[in-house]
Amino acid sequence: DIQMTQSPSTLSASVGDRVTITCRASQILSSWLAWYQQKPGKAPKLLIYKGSSLASGVPSRFSGDGSGTEFTLTISSLQPDDFATYYCQQYSAYSYTFGQGTKLEIK
Amino acid sequence: QITLKESGPTLLKPTQTLTLTCTFSGFSLITPGVGVGWIRQPPGKALEWLALIYWDDEKHYSSPLNSRLTITKDTSKSQVVLTMTAVDPVDTGTYYCARLRDYGDFGDWGQGILVTVSS
Repeated sequence: DIQMTQSPSTLSASVGDRVTITCRASQILSSWLAWYQQKPGKAPKLLIYKGSSLASGVPSRFSGDGSGTEFTLTISSLQPDDFATYYCQQYSAYSYTFGQGTKLEIK
Repeated sequence: QITLKESGPTLLKPTQTLTLTCTFSGFSLITPGVGVGWIRQPPGKALEWLALIYWDDEKHYSSPLNSRLTITKDTSKSQVVLTMTAVDPVDTGTYYCARLRDYGDFGDWGQGILVTVSS
């Protein structure tokens, strides 16, 4: 099974900062990668699909990039509502794997 | 509008069987390409995919849990049922059902149900 490793595990930043979260796959992904945002006590929310496509209603300050084994989620200018936990997820050969999560905290 | 909602027991004893139902609306599981999956999250930990069923009744399971899981669908009721045998306290967590989209992502999620396994 493909393993997904996110870094960092925790990220401290301030409103207005540009931040990047990385997700590395244990082997080249033949299919797509998605990113989710999760707030405490809530279900995950899809942000990015197909590696770089913005889900409906998601602000344009979120962007995704990457291919092969390395993918990134960038928030161009952090807003107070963005402090949450972020997960990457891959789909390959009828198996779905999530990363371990990155908690974005207020500095 | 697409909605999903999980239902089932919230407290089980070790060795019991967990049966969760996902009732959805706004889409049909007879539409080609559609799937519904189950994902869980232990308290304070990461998301873990468990199982998925497609419109054509094809089923896939997480390798570590394959022997304990069964996923079925009832298209007439717009429901997907997940059964997990021999639960253990490590199975405690929030269980979500979610709609699988064409690109392998989960675009819509239920609110989740917290299941606790304790003697």
